Amino acid sequence: DGGITQSPKYLFRKEGQNVTLSCEQNLNHDAMYWYRQDPGQGLRLIYYSQIVNDFQKGDIAEGYSVSREKKESFPLTVTSAQKNPTAFYLCASSIGWGDNEQFFGPGTRLTVL
Amino acid sequence: DQQVKQNSPSLSVQEGRISILNCDYTNSMFDYFLWYKKYPAEGPTFLISISSIKDKNEDGRFTVFLNKSAKHLSLHIVPSQPGDSAVYFCAASAFDNDMRFGAGTRLTVKP
Repeated sequence: DGGITQSPKYLFRKEGQNVTLSCEQNLNHDAMYWYRQDPGQGLRLIYYSQIVNDFQKGDIAEGYSVSREKKESFPLTVTSAQKNPTAFYLCASSIGWGDNEQFFGPGTRLTVL
Repeated sequence: DQQVKQNSPSLSVQEGRISILNCDYTNSMFDYFLWYKKYPAEGPTFLISISSIKDKNEDGRFTVFLNKSAKHLSLHIVPSQPGDSAVYFCAASAFDNDMRFGAGTRLTVKP
């Protein structure tokens, strides 16, 4: 079964701690994305990667970092510099950058206490 | 800078009736539009799309209409079913550019 997995589904962290959210895809897609969803707002792009070993900042990259060492993996680290980290985080992938259909993972809800 | 707007946060319709979800955009460079459907605690799933060269695309009970002059698109669901209850996101993209999403509209279909 091809798809995107994100783990964990729910994550709790204390303020000031860094936390890494996992995203894995076995769709052989080149492009991967991280979005953040907050109530009443659309999905906002945090980081994207067009190809392995490359990534670019999205609209709200401050306080976040990513890596793309493998094609199938695109982990997101929420650092202590992110002022309001509590949110629902969605990872997505597409065949290539600019391909219109993105496939989403189930999301991770991060709560910072 | 919200380039894609869904001004109705929620919509409630009776089973069997038509659901109409609306979306407005400001960027005239957008040339591809999509609707995603999202159930609670799940990621969005692709529903239907339309290219700017068309003004209508139909897939079963779902039809998307595009009015380029008004920078407006809408999703029609006929007939609406309780299983259609979800949050619907409108999205738009320009060639080789990232996608912009609306804030979503929560559709509730009552039996």
